[in-house]
Parts: sequence; structure tokens; C-alpha cells
Amino acid sequence: DTAVSQTPKYLVTQMGNDKSIKCEQNLGHDTMYWYKQDSKKFLKIMFSYNNKELIINETVPNRFSPKSPDKAHLNLHINSLELGDSAVYFCASSPSQGVNTEAFFGQGTRLTVV
Amino acid sequence: QKEVEQDPGPLSVPEGAIVSLNCTYSNSAFQYFMWYRQYSRKGPELLMYTYSSGNKEDGRFTAQVDKSSKYISLFIRDSQPSDSATYLCARKRGETSGSRLTFGEGTQLTVNP
Repeated sequence: DTAVSQTPKYLVTQMGNDKSIKCEQNLGHDTMYWYKQDSKKFLKIMFSYNNKELIINETVPNRFSPKSPDKAHLNLHINSLELGDSAVYFCASSPSQGVNTEAFFGQGTRLTVV
Repeated sequence: QKEVEQDPGPLSVPEGAIVSLNCTYSNSAFQYFMWYRQYSRKGPELLMYTYSSGNKEDGRFTAQVDKSSKYISLFIRDSQPSDSATYLCARKRGETSGSRLTFGEGTQLTVNP
């Protein structure tokens, strides 16, 4: 039983293409996130949704558009892909309240733009 | 200045060694700190969580927070090859903001048999 699952696991695409990454969690959490990890392993938050509502939008190019159809799903659509978008994208989820709101991460989607 | 700074390493130690991993943070208002472990080609997983100064122990792992010097440490006793991974320190912004995390750059650790 995978807690946070992302698809696809690997994605290789050409510059200028549009692609989507899907994420689903079965933990009953109401907050979901997208993080980006660069080649130096630096992990940085991109977006956060709470009950389908966007609550965090870091300085991310507007080519990136998250969509949350329900609180168990958070997808990431990327338009006009650039070489610099190559990274590993992690979806995560957590409860929104409480002290110990551990974030559970998916396995990541390794995006390579060529 | 980055909010959380961490020496990226890499760090290579023999099996059985005591490992010390360190981070510094810039904002004294930070209260909640975490250590995540990330194996190669996997997502990060929570290892230790602390929200106060002092030590927190869990088996071979000890997390230490020194708020006066803004220093976070993770100690691994009797290190094992299975501890080889990237260790990420993080701080959580507040209690009611879910788990929005700011990470350090991660330290890559290799424990050699």
C-alpha cells in the first residue's frame, strides 16, 4: 500500500513540450506539496495545497501550474519545458494541524529535458 | 543568507564510527527541526523530529538542537553500511502550517564495511 504515489517515475522529453506529473495520497491528509530537488540534492518547496486550495506558491515560473481535483490528488503541469527544469520532483502530503505534522514523500519523478 | 545551511560533504566513514552531521539556521524564531534520510533514488523519509533545545534519542540516532548558537546536529552511533544515504536537516515554519519545510542542502554519507 503506497502512501504517496507519483506517476511517471521517469520522464524524458524535449524542450518546448508540455508534460504532467500526477500524485495521489491515501493517508487521508488534507495538505499536499510539490518539492523540486536539483542535481545537488537541494530540496525546495514549490507549491502547497490545503483542501484543494493553494496556500503556498513560491517563486516558481508560471509555466508550472498545480491542480488539485480533490484533497487526495495534486497534479503538476509544466508548459514549454526548458533544460533547467530537469530535476527530481517530489510530491508530499501531511496533516495540516498539530505539532508533529510529518510530511510523507513520494518516490519522485525524475524529469530530464533534452 | 540561506535559512538553513548544511555541509554537503560527501562524508565517508568506516563501519562502527560515530557520525556527526550538522546544520546551522539563521532565524532564531525557528522552533521545529527535523532530520530526513534519503536513500538513492528514493523520497526523503522522516528520521527525527524535535521542537526544543536539548537532545532527543532514538536507538542509534541522537538529534541535538542548540538554540543559543542556532545549531542542529544528528549523531549516529555504531554506524552501519545501511546508514549510507543523504541526510537532510529541515525546519518547519510554525505549528499550523502543515509541514512546509525549508531544507538544508543535504550531507551525503557513506559507511564503508
